[in-house]
Amino acid sequence: DIQMTQSPASLSASLGETVTIECRASEDIYNGLAWYQQKPGKSPQLLIYNANSLHTGVPSRFSGSGSGTQYSLKINSLQSEDVASYFCQQYYDYPFTFGSGTKLEIK
Amino acid sequence: QVKLLQSGAALVKPGASVKMSCKASGYTFTDYWVSWVKQSHGKSLEWIGEIYPNSGATNFNEKFKGKATLTVDKSTSTAYMELSRLTSEDSAIYYCTRTPTVGAFWFAYWGQGTLVTVSS
Repeated sequence: DIQMTQSPASLSASLGETVTIECRASEDIYNGLAWYQQKPGKSPQLLIYNANSLHTGVPSRFSGSGSGTQYSLKINSLQSEDVASYFCQQYYDYPFTFGSGTKLEIK
Repeated sequence: QVKLLQSGAALVKPGASVKMSCKASGYTFTDYWVSWVKQSHGKSLEWIGEIYPNSGATNFNEKFKGKATLTVDKSTSTAYMELSRLTSEDSAIYYCTRTPTVGAFWFAYWGQGTLVTVSS
């Protein structure tokens, strides 16, 4: 199975700041990567697919980048509604696997 | 619009089985794979497996083979997952999900989740 190592586990930032969350795959996943946001008590919501494509309706302050085994999610101009947990998912190979998550809080 | 409506929370005894449902609406049920994802309390997400309603074909995470059974009822556009021989490790929220387009493998649509609690 492809292991997804996500960092950091938690993150505290101020409103308006830019934050970056990273995911490292145990092997090349050829941009087969998605990012999800999960607010407390809610289902995960898709943000990014194919490593850098913004899902419909997602604010443009979210962006994804990377290639090979290293990927990142950047959130520009942090807003209060961005408080959530974020997960990466590889879908290059079965079984699909997720990162361990990053909990984002506002300072 | 696409909706996935899952069955309510279940409290089940160790060793028993539980069957949960995921009723789809807003699209042609038989055209898209339905995946199931497990989220243990305070932990990350695990992909259990997927089923193609048109044919009943399935793909599973090896970890969940023998634990999860996936079925569909095309007449009611409902997918089911049954978990057997339950232990405390099976206590979790279970989501059904769907990809946004045919040939995609990321999950654009999620049910609201079914909480399963295994306790005597």
